[in-house]
Amino acid sequence: DTAVSQTPKYLVTQMGNDKSIKCEQNLGHDTMYWYKQDSKKFLKIMFSYNNKELIINETVPNRFSPKSPDKAHLNLHINSLELGDSAVYFCASSQRRENTEAFFGQGTRLTVV
Amino acid sequence: GQSLEQPSEVTAVEGAIVQINCTYQTSGFYGLSWYQQHDGGAPTFLSYNALDGLEETGRFSSFLSRSDSYGYLLLQELQMKDSASYFCAVRKGGYQKVTFGTGTKLQVIP
Repeated sequence: DTAVSQTPKYLVTQMGNDKSIKCEQNLGHDTMYWYKQDSKKFLKIMFSYNNKELIINETVPNRFSPKSPDKAHLNLHINSLELGDSAVYFCASSQRRENTEAFFGQGTRLTVV
Repeated sequence: GQSLEQPSEVTAVEGAIVQINCTYQTSGFYGLSWYQQHDGGAPTFLSYNALDGLEETGRFSSFLSRSDSYGYLLLQELQMKDSASYFCAVRKGGYQKVTFGTGTKLQVIP
């Protein structure tokens, strides 16, 4: 069983479109994250949720909106996609009190054309 | 603010030992993690240090000196499959925010 799974794995879309990436974890973790990895492999946190509550919101354009229906799911919706949004987006999860080890999903490679 | 520095690339010979350094500047430092990422793959956790000293896990060891704001990842008996990018990541106490370094691309050659 996959611990952290995200879909889709690849996403190619045109500028201006709206798209969503889904993430689910079956580890029973309380905290989930979205990270963005750019073409230079720089990995930067975007959002963090703990038990469905937003606890970290980095300087991300408000076109990006995370949604956590329950603590096992954290989806990412992106409106009005821009070329600069092209990147690999990783979902991850960790225990609430011990964010010493994060488990990452396989990533979603988003290409905006 | 905070910053992490690690070498961008390292090359080492199969069977040898390699050390990847990480220096950081941050307030509220809580611990240092290391992650491995193969090309096209997801980051996978290797180790975490909250206290000074060496943590050993098989062929991999990680060291932390809080007073020097410095840590390293030591890989022994290098194998070709160890060719990957290695990221150090700083955790700030009280929050789940972990800031990643820019990564070190390790190439293991025969």
